[in-house]
Amino acid sequence: DAKTTQPNSMESNEEEPVHLPCNHSTISGTDYIHWYRQLPSQGPEYVIHGLTSNVNNRMASLAIAEDRKSSTLILHRATLRDAAVYYCILRGGTSYGKLTFGQGTILTVHP
Amino acid sequence: DAGVTQSPTHLIKTRGQQVTLRCSPKSGHDTVSWYQQALGQGPQFIFQYYEEEERQRGNFPDRFSGHQFPNYSSELNVNALLLGDSALYLCASSLAGRIRRNYGYTFGSGTRLTVV
Repeated sequence: DAKTTQPNSMESNEEEPVHLPCNHSTISGTDYIHWYRQLPSQGPEYVIHGLTSNVNNRMASLAIAEDRKSSTLILHRATLRDAAVYYCILRGGTSYGKLTFGQGTILTVHP
Repeated sequence: DAGVTQSPTHLIKTRGQQVTLRCSPKSGHDTVSWYQQALGQGPQFIFQYYEEEERQRGNFPDRFSGHQFPNYSSELNVNALLLGDSALYLCASSLAGRIRRNYGYTFGSGTRLTVV
C-alpha cells in the first residue's frame, strides 16, 4: 500500500479555518484519497474522499495537488467538536476492502 | 437508522482465555471488517467478511478468527489471549458493491478488551 505522511499534531482556534496536510508521493494513478477522523472514545468516521479534483461536502473540503502527491483537508470553521485524530488514507485497486491507517494528525481546537 | 452496533462495550479477560466480540452492521450493509486499535495507534485491519466468507485478511495470527451470519452480523473470536491483545476492537460495515476505493465505511464505537 502507498504510504501517507501527516504531521503528528496541529492546533487551531475555534471558528478559524484549519488546513490538515497529507503527503503521498508514491500515490498511483488509481488510488483514491480518503480522510477519516476519530473523536475520543469513538470509532473512525468517514469525512471525505477524492481522486483528482477538489471535493466539498457538508463536513469539509479536500484540496488535491495537481501532481496528486499531496492533499489538504480543510475545515472551514473549526469547532470544539472537530477535535479528533484525522487520518489520510490511500485506497488502491490492490487493497480491496482494507483501510491502512497511519498515525494520523491529532487536532486540538482551542476555545 | 441504526449505525454499526458492537457488543460488549468493555470486557476484561484473563491471559489464555478465549473471547467473542459481536457486530451488527448498519442497516442495508452486507460486508463487515474488523480492526484492532492499540492505545495511541491507528486501527490495524484484521479481516473482512462478505457472503459469510473471509475475503481478505491482515497480518494477524490464526488465533484470530471470525464468522459472518446470514443476517450479515459478525463475530470476532480470539483464542489463547495474550496481554498484547489488549486493545479497542472496531467493526466497520459497507455495501459489497461499494467496497471499492471510492466509498466510505461506517464504523462502530468498538469493544475495549483488557487482558490481565
